[in-house]
Amino acid sequence: AQKITQTQPGMFVQEKEAVTLDCTYDTSDPSYGLFWYKQPSSGEMIFLIYQGSYDQQNATEGRYSLNFQKARKSANLVISASQLGDSAMYFCAMRGPYSGGGADGLTFGKGTHLIIQP
Amino acid sequence: DSGVTQTPKHLITATGQRVTLRCSPRSGDLSVYWYQQSLDQGLQFLIQYYNGEERAKGNILERFSAQQFPDLHSELNLSSLELGDSALYFCASSVAATTLETQYFGPGTRLLVL
Repeated sequence: AQKITQTQPGMFVQEKEAVTLDCTYDTSDPSYGLFWYKQPSSGEMIFLIYQGSYDQQNATEGRYSLNFQKARKSANLVISASQLGDSAMYFCAMRGPYSGGGADGLTFGKGTHLIIQP
Repeated sequence: DSGVTQTPKHLITATGQRVTLRCSPRSGDLSVYWYQQSLDQGLQFLIQYYNGEERAKGNILERFSAQQFPDLHSELNLSSLELGDSALYFCASSVAATTLETQYFGPGTRLLVL
């Protein structure tokens, strides 16, 4: 079974500082995908970044980067130069194959509530 | 805007009732997923459909059912509602159904069971 652990329930960060949100995962499958989503107070789930288990390089999307350490089973999200609008819940998720050859739903962590202070 | 639409945005109903939540995937996406987000259970995968066929099941209760229609929109039916079914229900879609596909989420339907 797959499992995602996010050990930081909440974080306070000063505006313009870099932020690292922790995520560790557990799976026995060699092929899997790792995702980060942002959920603002309005409730929608916004896709931020994706990393495949076979990707050699860490994923980057604008101010977001994923620090992927496969041996440690860690997929931390790094937000550079944080902004007030980054205040939100952040969820790490993974998806692995099922025996039918496709994949089923995402397994989510409990999330980290990030608050950016001016 | 992800391109995934969900209706209604809010729903208030009573215990024992039945409701239907509707989802339209992004243009070109064949796969639809349903998730439930509640305070005690967090975000849970319920069920997946791909091109009209059920593909995978997660923690979906027997009182809940879903289907995907030929135009690819999907409906989640919740019956014999209980207080504990109050949650935010998300629909997500992806092009296909592989591990590498990013799922894009709709805005969600907030269900309150009184």
